[in-house]
Amino acid sequence: NAGVTQTPKFRVLKTGQSMTLLCAQDMNHEYMYWYRQDPGMGLRLIHYSVGEGTTAKGEVPDGYNVSRLKKQNFLLGLESAAPSQTSVYFCASSYGASKGYNEQFFGPGTRLTVL
Amino acid sequence: GNSVTQMEGPVTLSEEAFLTINCTYTATGYPSLFWYVQYPGEGLQLLLKATKADDKGSNKGFEATYRKETTSFHLEKGSVQVSDSAVYFCALRAGANNLFFGTGTRLTVIP
Repeated sequence: NAGVTQTPKFRVLKTGQSMTLLCAQDMNHEYMYWYRQDPGMGLRLIHYSVGEGTTAKGEVPDGYNVSRLKKQNFLLGLESAAPSQTSVYFCASSYGASKGYNEQFFGPGTRLTVL
Repeated sequence: GNSVTQMEGPVTLSEEAFLTINCTYTATGYPSLFWYVQYPGEGLQLLLKATKADDKGSNKGFEATYRKETTSFHLEKGSVQVSDSAVYFCALRAGANNLFFGTGTRLTVIP
């Protein structure tokens, strides 16, 4: 099992450019999450999904969009990147309420720099 | 609302020293509490958890007790090793398995 994988590992964008971060999990988890990690602020939830075809806003959703077309994939999009979106992005997945949620498994992260 | 307040770092200890990282929380209802660890260049890994008051989570020599009366979940280890050097995050779970994280505490253990 690969667990949770993220693509790419690193990316540098110019202000206004767009990009998509891909997260994939092979554990058949219902729930998936996108977090950003900033110095001195811990991890903050951007968006999450409780199942294929469903998404919901987290704590800091502005400037991001997400899609969950397949159960194993969760995409995070930046339509017009801003320097404030420079961060490390982590994807995570977990079972849902029917299995007591259990722990969230995290990917290795994507380091994004917006110039 | 939900929030986690975590001891500021960084923390530097000598090998075999005793470790305490303080964590207090504010939550509606009865949250589950977690400690996650992040080793350099990696994602977060669950270290231990507790789902109700007075539960003690433990793993790899680390322990934390869910104290409802003091809304705390302090992480302790009796004798740290160089390999314990990492960033430690306290977190609580609310809603649809959403985690609220503290700011993280960087621990460096020197030989």
